[in-house]
Amino acid sequence: GNSVTQMEGPVTLSEEAFLTINCTYTATGYPSLFWYVQYPGEGLQLLLKATKADDKGSNKGFEATYRKETTSFHLEKGSVQVSDSAVYFCALSAGGRRALTFGSGTRLQVQP
Amino acid sequence: DAEITQSPRHKITETGRQVTLACHQTWNHNNMFWYRQDLGHGLRLIHYSYGVHDTNKGEVSDGYSVSRSNTEDLPLTLESAASSQTSVYFCASSDRWDQPQHFGDGTRLSIL
Repeated sequence: GNSVTQMEGPVTLSEEAFLTINCTYTATGYPSLFWYVQYPGEGLQLLLKATKADDKGSNKGFEATYRKETTSFHLEKGSVQVSDSAVYFCALSAGGRRALTFGSGTRLQVQP
Repeated sequence: DAEITQSPRHKITETGRQVTLACHQTWNHNNMFWYRQDLGHGLRLIHYSYGVHDTNKGEVSDGYSVSRSNTEDLPLTLESAASSQTSVYFCASSDRWDQPQHFGDGTRLSIL
């Protein structure tokens, strides 16, 4: 079956530090990959997506590249801000199955 | 603007009671989903629907039911609430399997 594994949190960084949140997956066929962000008390918002190998999704300074050879979709940002503090979820949909399979989420705390 | 709304945002009830959580979307999406969010588990799929009169069980469907009588609504019913069903519940909708899902803001349900 499909599964997503992402690094345990919380991740605590100082403002302007470099961020990496690791995400690896197993899936049937060729999945679409997503990163969602959840701010406190809110629902999930799409951060970025990639639908085929070697695609790079990007948004708000965040980037992730779909790596089929390593089955990975790591999230990166060059310089984090306090406002980036949130929970980040890696997710996939695959095999025509329209529901998402989520990782367990990684909480990011950015300190001024 | 199209949106997806959940109600109520917060609910406290007692074990054994029937509870219904509402989800309404104006995206005109065929696909609708219910997830529950628990610490350490990310989001797990409860039920989903690919269109009117279609419903399917997800990975944690025991004790829950849904019905889809129109495109816009997918209410989630807990037949006899149990303390293990205390959680945050999210509804989502999507157009295609490889496209992002849009999420509601969630319902925090406490069962005492």
